[in-house]
Amino acid sequence: SAVISQKPSRDICQRGTSLTIQCQVDSQVTMMFWYRQQPGQSLTLIATANQGSEATYESGFVIDKFPISRPNLTFSTLTVSNMSPEDSSIYLCSVLGNSYEQYFGPGTRLTVT
Amino acid sequence: TQLLEQSPQFLSIQEGENLTVYCNSSSVFSSLQWYRQEPGEGPVLLVTVVTGGEVKKLKRLTFQFGDARKDSSLHITAAQPGDTGLYLCAGLMDSSYKLIFGSGTRLLVRP
Repeated sequence: SAVISQKPSRDICQRGTSLTIQCQVDSQVTMMFWYRQQPGQSLTLIATANQGSEATYESGFVIDKFPISRPNLTFSTLTVSNMSPEDSSIYLCSVLGNSYEQYFGPGTRLTVT
Repeated sequence: TQLLEQSPQFLSIQEGENLTVYCNSSSVFSSLQWYRQEPGEGPVLLVTVVTGGEVKKLKRLTFQFGDARKDSSLHITAAQPGDTGLYLCAGLMDSSYKLIFGSGTRLLVRP
């Protein structure tokens, strides 16, 4: 298993601003994922972050809105740009395990006012 | 359209009762995972089922993968308040590393 931390744990931001969420893993991993989750709802995959290459985005998510960095095998960031109230959500990062299971961080609860 | 449908969406039961959560799809999965998520935390893996018809037990939790690998169920015996949380099934398709998450079942076990 892997231990994953996220910063910040929560934030309240004004519309039009941007927030960068950090995800740190205690071991080197090949694949990291970013998800969005409305409280009490299921997870929606935003993108897959691979070290050394551009992130792969899912339908409905674009790089200009959700730029992702993956500078090394233990760290990734997700930026939520030009935020609107519709971006209020929980953002989760995860890593891929050896048997295709995923280990998740605790999430970042974002509120946009 | 949700590829993996879970039912029920919400379940409120008394401590000591039994319950079953269903995860259904028209697609075939190479494996299916079940996660539990508590408020303020990320989902935590409970089990992975791989073989059609497979049954796995984890203390009071019993997981079953359908023969055709299109559906799964989670049965909890003698539920306890500590079982409260959001239960998510997630399917893995052949040649893919991406999980497809179900719609989720929110369970509340009242003392």
